Amino acid sequence: GPKVLQIPSHQIIDMGQMVTLNCDPVSNHLYFYWYKQILGQQMEFLVNFYNGKVMEKSKLFKDQFSVERPDGSYFTLKIQPTALEDSAVYFCASSLWGGAYEQYFGPGTRLTVL
Amino acid sequence: QQKVQQSPESLSVPEGGMASLNCTSSDRNFQYFWWYRQHSGEGPKALMSIFSDGDKKEGRFTAHLNKASLHVSLHIRDSQPSDSALYFCAASESNTGYQNFYFGKGTSLTVIP
Repeated sequence: GPKVLQIPSHQIIDMGQMVTLNCDPVSNHLYFYWYKQILGQQMEFLVNFYNGKVMEKSKLFKDQFSVERPDGSYFTLKIQPTALEDSAVYFCASSLWGGAYEQYFGPGTRLTVL
Repeated sequence: QQKVQQSPESLSVPEGGMASLNCTSSDRNFQYFWWYRQHSGEGPKALMSIFSDGDKKEGRFTAHLNKASLHVSLHIRDSQPSDSALYFCAASESNTGYQNFYFGKGTSLTVIP
């Protein structure tokens, strides 16, 4: 089936540094999402992105977070500067359309902030 | 307040048994539900959607939706060890537009061989 790829699988950085998480969504999908998961528990919505714009974001999407997808390349989540509480697994997802269309998730990037 | 609640938090069933998972929404705007499954170390994968009242069956999996009570359940018959995973209920307000999913906290299912 369709696959979403995420690079890297694991990233360790020092607090205060910048990190960029990369997502290669399913090729014909139009909607993109980032979720945060701590300790294999609840998936928490961060942001969704369509047509080059953030459409909706949650309270977890702090000012230090930003997303973009320049020229149809990777869909990225940048955190600058990072904080200890940003340590989590970040999942990218994409869907053909929005709403209740199936979201396809990547395998996640485990971010450890020291 | 959590918009999507799941129960139980964890569940153990013997191989070949029936597993029943529950999900309730506190928001009457949520009309579209998905069940996702996440194996350890992987991303969630969609199991099935249910948008209409009643039952929907796909193989060993049956989902049931009652929109009046905002309750959706997932029943897994003939459970297999490979069904051991974290199961999420996800709800959406709309089937169009940029509405995102709201996930419950998940039910951890263990199938005992």
